[in-house]
Amino acid sequence: KNEVEQSPQNLTAQEGEFITINCSYSVGISALHWLQQHPGGGIVSLFMLSSGKKKHGRLIATINIQEKHSSLHITASHPRDSAVYICAVRSWGSQGNLIFGKGTKLSVKP
Amino acid sequence: GAVVSQHPSRVICKSGTSVKIECRSLDFQATTMFWYRQFPKQSLMLMATSNEGSKATYEQGVEKDKFLINHASLTLSTLTVTSAHPEDSSFYICSAPNGPEAFFGQGTRLTVV
Repeated sequence: KNEVEQSPQNLTAQEGEFITINCSYSVGISALHWLQQHPGGGIVSLFMLSSGKKKHGRLIATINIQEKHSSLHITASHPRDSAVYICAVRSWGSQGNLIFGKGTKLSVKP
Repeated sequence: GAVVSQHPSRVICKSGTSVKIECRSLDFQATTMFWYRQFPKQSLMLMATSNEGSKATYEQGVEKDKFLINHASLTLSTLTVTSAHPEDSSFYICSAPNGPEAFFGQGTRLTVV
């Protein structure tokens, strides 16, 4: 079993829909990251969370440390949101390296 | 925000040759950098931790003589894939932590023919 599990693996939505991507992890963590990977491969950090909730524009990320679960929400989705979204955790005692989920491929149709 | 620059972004090489990939932290010092590899439809996997001024630490199953890492300064780490084979074709990406944040290079798509 992977230490970081994401669902769904693939997600197709219509423009304007509310989107949720889920992440569960099995290790103790000091931080959880949500990342966005575009087709060329480049990775952008969206959020870093250790507790609670963060919001940037139409993106919202939440984390429940007790349940070892995090969600990424996109409100009013747009075709330009199409990308792979990756959940990654920094485990306790690590040097700072991350353990990654397999990613969720999101496609938003106009 | 902090920037990590990685190049080349794409390289095609012949079997048996070596390829060097550079990763630079442009506006902060990185005593540690991480090298990851991603195969198609798989998650990124840590290959090695690059430590400035000392030897890199490699993950189990990663050949240190094949994937040479040099971290000679606080802003530059290099990964050299030696005697490349087609099975080394993959997406390689570096990351440098700055405090609790993680910053990523643009990645290198390596194709060995």
